[in-house]
Amino acid sequence: AQRVTQPEKLLSVFKGAPVELKCNYSYSGSPELFWYVQYSRQRLQLLLRHISRESIKGFTADLNKGETSFHLKKPFAQEEDSAMYYCALLAGSSASKIIFGSGTRLSIRP
Amino acid sequence: EPEVTQTPSHQVTQMGQEVILRCVPISNHLYFYWYRQILGQKVEFLVSFYNNEISEKSEIFDDQFSVERPDGSNFTLKIRSTKLEDSAMYFCASRDEQGQPQHFGDGTRLSIL
Repeated sequence: AQRVTQPEKLLSVFKGAPVELKCNYSYSGSPELFWYVQYSRQRLQLLLRHISRESIKGFTADLNKGETSFHLKKPFAQEEDSAMYYCALLAGSSASKIIFGSGTRLSIRP
Repeated sequence: EPEVTQTPSHQVTQMGQEVILRCVPISNHLYFYWYRQILGQKVEFLVSFYNNEISEKSEIFDDQFSVERPDGSNFTLKIRSTKLEDSAMYFCASRDEQGQPQHFGDGTRLSIL
């Protein structure tokens, strides 16, 4: 079964503290994973994808095939990081649908 | 930066009525998608569209749903006879080549009364 699991609905941390948003996936093929972010009243935006291995806004995510995880990390949280974060898996036929996790709301306390 | 645009931002419709949600994908994109998000739930795939035909559809996308690309710019989702459970946020997305990320619109909030 193709599935993305985000176990935390809400994560609240203090500004300057490290952040880790957990994501686990289930996929029989070679996975392609993303993190999307949705700031208040804004559209879903691509934050990063595992194949690019880049850091966006200080966030990184490493694909761990052994643990089937793709956790999102940032060493020092900023208030503007408060948003809804969705882990996502590219699946399906060549047109490739996205399977989303249920999302984690990250709240950064001042 | 080009964006996917969706209209209207909010649609209120009586149960049983037909509704058409409109999307203008990014102009050079070839693949088009509809997703929905029921309040408090995850974003779910509905349908993908490429080369003027449906590529894949989910179980949600039953006979009440249809998609169309009536001209070179619009991509529409029609729900023929709306039900209360169709109330959700509907997102359109598009991308250019295979493997490139999908770009999402702001969504249309559909409320069925």
